[in-house]
Amino acid sequence: GESVGLHLPTLSVQEGDNSIINCAYSNSASDYFIWYKQESGKGPQFIIDIRSNMDKRQGQRVTVLLNKTVKHLSLQIAATQPGDSAVYFCALLYNFNKFYFGSGTKLNVKP
Amino acid sequence: KAGVTQTPRYLIKTRGQQVTLSCSPISGHRSVSWYQQTPGQGLQFLFEYFSETQRNKGNFPGRFSGRQFSNSRSEMNVSTLELGDSALYLCASSLAEGLSSYEQYFGPGTRLTVT
Repeated sequence: GESVGLHLPTLSVQEGDNSIINCAYSNSASDYFIWYKQESGKGPQFIIDIRSNMDKRQGQRVTVLLNKTVKHLSLQIAATQPGDSAVYFCALLYNFNKFYFGSGTKLNVKP
Repeated sequence: KAGVTQTPRYLIKTRGQQVTLSCSPISGHRSVSWYQQTPGQGLQFLFEYFSETQRNKGNFPGRFSGRQFSNSRSEMNVSTLELGDSALYLCASSLAEGLSSYEQYFGPGTRLTVT
């Protein structure tokens, strides 16, 4: 099996600051990792992904870092905006077979 | 391109009844996965269908079943509903052909309440 955990259930940041959301996983054989954003009343929305052969990937205002040595994944959001307020999930694909999801971190952006 | 659609959006059923939820994937996507989301357990994988065949299955009882049609549309069925089945049921579609195609797109979900 696989367990996926998050360090903090809730994260509050000031508008304009950078946000870092963390995720730990237990199985080193995980192949592929995704960060999702879920707003209230909506399904999860893909943000960014990273394959296990990479350690960093950047998107628009977001960066995902993968540290396979300590089995840790993080999502960095630059210049956090009120529209970034949501629950963020990490998900990992194990054995190209099933996705396992973290429990989620709620990001609150204070104006 | 239209996104993943799920019907109905909201449903109220009583214990012992059965329910069928529907999912239409993004055009061209052949894989449909179903998830149950609850505040206590988070997102849990139910099953995945690819080209009308169940390819993967999570750890849910046999009361939960699904199927996929030739047009990739999928349905999931829950029989003999229990109070604990109250949840948001999410459907996700993907191309699922090759490593670059594991990106899943989620629908808005069906909120099932069992009373």
